[in-house]
Amino acid sequence: NAGVMQNPRHLVRRRGQEARLRCSPMKGHSHVYWYRQLPEEGLKFMVYLQKENIIDESGMPKERFSAEFPKEGPSILRIQQVVRGDSAAYFCASSPRVDRDASPLHFGNGTRLTVT
Amino acid sequence: SQKIEQNSEALNIQEGKTATLTCNYTNYSPAYLQWYRQDPGRGPVFLLLIRENEKEKRKERLKVTFDTTLKQSLFHITASQPADSATYLCALASGGENAGNMLTFGGGTRLMVKP
Repeated sequence: NAGVMQNPRHLVRRRGQEARLRCSPMKGHSHVYWYRQLPEEGLKFMVYLQKENIIDESGMPKERFSAEFPKEGPSILRIQQVVRGDSAAYFCASSPRVDRDASPLHFGNGTRLTVT
Repeated sequence: SQKIEQNSEALNIQEGKTATLTCNYTNYSPAYLQWYRQDPGRGPVFLLLIRENEKEKRKERLKVTFDTTLKQSLFHITASQPADSATYLCALASGGENAGNMLTFGGGTRLMVKP
């Protein structure tokens, strides 16, 4: 069984360019979560999506950042006009459902974005 | 505001000893708490989940306790091995009607097991 797949693993962008990060959840999972991890810091929640819906984007900056999870294809985290402060590791996680039994999150190995 | 605190200083122990990591939280009433392991350059990997009505949970050499009165969880690795060296993260459900399985993570504690 393939786990959560993220690509690219490493992405280098110049200031002002756009970054597109992709995440394919585990098979059968319909919930996707994006987290950002700055060097030597913890994971910070950004956005929670289900197919074709953004459920919670409270952790995502209002400007330049957007996320989608279309009916077909991977979830995309898009950062427009990147700045050096966007340099971080971006992790995607998925879970099969929402219930009181609290399915654990399955993480990908992240995309490391470097803005030069 | 809600906070999850883990010791940011690395924990160095000798192989064979028991490692104990602490997770304290404030302004949460979590239904459950989870522990993850993260290796450098990799995503977190789920280890254990403990519910509010459980005092203790075990899995092989791992043991987790959950004290909702103290608002604290302890994570123990017995007979530690160098391969256990990693960063360990605790996480709580973010709560709310639409939270799903959305988690808030502590900053993690790095464990170094020396041979």
